[in-house]
Amino acid sequence: DVKVTQSSRYLVKRTGEKVFLECVQDMDHENMFWYRQDPGLGLRLIYFSYDVKMKEKGDIPEGYSVSREKKERFSLILESASTNQTSMYLCASRPGDTITGELFFGEGSRLTVL
Amino acid sequence: QKEVEQDPGPLSVPEGAIVSLNCTYSNSAFQYFMWYRQYSRKGPELLMYTYSSGNKEDGRFTAQVDKSSKYISLFIRDSQPSDSATYLCAMSGGSNDYKLSFGAGTTVTVRA
Repeated sequence: DVKVTQSSRYLVKRTGEKVFLECVQDMDHENMFWYRQDPGLGLRLIYFSYDVKMKEKGDIPEGYSVSREKKERFSLILESASTNQTSMYLCASRPGDTITGELFFGEGSRLTVL
Repeated sequence: QKEVEQDPGPLSVPEGAIVSLNCTYSNSAFQYFMWYRQYSRKGPELLMYTYSSGNKEDGRFTAQVDKSSKYISLFIRDSQPSDSATYLCAMSGGSNDYKLSFGAGTTVTVRA
């Protein structure tokens, strides 16, 4: 089974703090994604990476950056957390040769910014 | 207008009822249609996917796609309390489309 692991399930941070969210997948997938999930808005794509050291902006990249130094690891960085970044963050991966586009998700990291 | 519209519910049904969920979309390039199930405090997991128009059945679950109407549905027969979850529709243009477009999700509660 594909395993996507998000290291922090619940975080509480203060406004202005730098926040790192880590994601590791164990299936040698080329593509990795970061989404945020908010009630009524569904899943919105923040960034994705189609290979090591490659990244593309998604629909809502403002206030976020990412890092992919190794194939299995994709990090989301909030340089200066703000209260409107309180959300559930979901990491996902998939093979680079996918036909359907199916994503495999982690269990999520719930971030609260005070 | 959102690319994918899904009624957020919530939907509450008695055990054994048929649950009907649906999404509409605007992008005619979508070819792959998926339903994800997300239990509380968990990540989404793929429930079913369908290519192009037609029906697909898997046990108590049936997915339908009507591309002419840009409308997809998920039916759950003989619903169980364990089916209580949020159901998200998702769709893509296929291998050349780098991202999935998601509906907002419908929260379903099946009452014992």
